Amino acid sequence: DIQMTQSPSALSASLGGRVTITCQASQDITKYLNWYQQKPGKAPKLLIYDASNLQTGVPSRFSGSGSGTDFTFTINSLQPEDIATYYCQEYYKFPGTFGQGTKLEIK
Amino acid sequence: QVKLVQSGAEVKKPGASVKVSCKASGFTFINYYMHWVRQAPGQGLEWMGIINPSDGTTRYAQRLQGRVTMTKDTSTSTVYMELSSLRSDDTAVYYCARDRVGGAVNTIGLSQLDYWGQGTLVTVS
Repeated sequence: DIQMTQSPSALSASLGGRVTITCQASQDITKYLNWYQQKPGKAPKLLIYDASNLQTGVPSRFSGSGSGTDFTFTINSLQPEDIATYYCQEYYKFPGTFGQGTKLEIK
Repeated sequence: QVKLVQSGAEVKKPGASVKVSCKASGFTFINYYMHWVRQAPGQGLEWMGIINPSDGTTRYAQRLQGRVTMTKDTSTSTVYMELSSLRSDDTAVYYCARDRVGGAVNTIGLSQLDYWGQGTLVTVS
């Protein structure tokens, strides 16, 4: 299985600030990477697919970049409703491994 | 609108089986692959398997092979996930999720999980 290493595991940021999360794959996955947001007690929500494409309806302050093995997820101008845990997921091949998650808190 | 509605919480004893349902609406059921993902308390997301609702083709996570079975009922647009020989570490919230794409008979695939059910808590104790 492909291993997905996500960092940091937790982070604290200020409202209005910028947040960056990284995800590293154990092998080349080209662009086949998704990012999900999960709020407490809720199901995950798709934010980004194909590493950099914004899902319909997702605010433009969310963005993604990268290819191959190294990927970055960014939130610009952090809002209170962005408090959640964020997961990357490869879909290059089964089993579609998820990263271990990054819990985002407000500083 | 797309909706995935799952069955209610379950409490099971070790060694028992559990069957969770996921009823789909708002889209053509047979045109999209369906996945199951679980999340143990305070832990991350674990992909469990996929089913092609058009013909029932499945693929399961290797660590669950032999214990998990995914089925579908086209007449009610419902997919099911059954997990047997339950252990305490199977305690988790189980989610069904729709894949953005689907395929022909005898195919499976993996892309984005664009709609999710509300989750079903299964407690093994």
